[in-house]
Amino acid sequence: NAGVTQTPKFQVLKTGQSMTLQCAQDMNHEYMSWYRQDPGMGLRLIHYSVGAGITDQGEVPNGYNVSRSTTEDFPLRLLSAAPSQTSVYFCASRRSFYSNQPQHFGDGTRLSIL
Amino acid sequence: DQQVKQNSPSLSVQEGRISILNCDYTNSMFDYFLWYKKYPAEGPTFLISISSIKDKNEDGRFTVFLNKSAKHLSLHIVPSQPGDSAVYFCAASWNRDDKIIFGKGTRLHILP
Repeated sequence: NAGVTQTPKFQVLKTGQSMTLQCAQDMNHEYMSWYRQDPGMGLRLIHYSVGAGITDQGEVPNGYNVSRSTTEDFPLRLLSAAPSQTSVYFCASRRSFYSNQPQHFGDGTRLSIL
Repeated sequence: DQQVKQNSPSLSVQEGRISILNCDYTNSMFDYFLWYKKYPAEGPTFLISISSIKDKNEDGRFTVFLNKSAKHLSLHIVPSQPGDSAVYFCAASWNRDDKIIFGKGTRLHILP
């Protein structure tokens, strides 16, 4: 059972480039989310989805887009990369909307924007 | 404004002793609390949780205590082992909302 799989693990971009961070889960979880982790900042919610076809913004959504066409996949798109988006990105999933459930995290994508 | 605070960025504890990690929160609406453990180059993994209707939850070497009046919770690890060296995140949520608020984390070093 793979759980939550994120690709790529590392990426270096130039300012202004675009890219998509991939996230897939095989647990049939309804709820998926993206976080970024910055030094001294903990985990901050970027976007989330409560089910296929439904997405919403989290705490720090600017500069990112998401879509949820299937239950399994929840890609995060950077439209025009900026140095401030240098961070470690984590995708997570849990069984349903209700927050009193443990989330399962991927191993992260370390992204550097030059 | 930080709603979940972990005021100790790091903590060093001798192997075999008790590790106590603290977490404070400001929002009295929180009714569920979770601890996650994170190793370098890996994602956080769920460790233990507690509902606001309880004041203690135990799972093996890990116990979480909740003091609602003080808006404080703590994670006790007894006895501490080398594999416990990691970053620990405290998180809080309320059931009417789907969002989970994370603290900034505490790095625990278990000394031989």
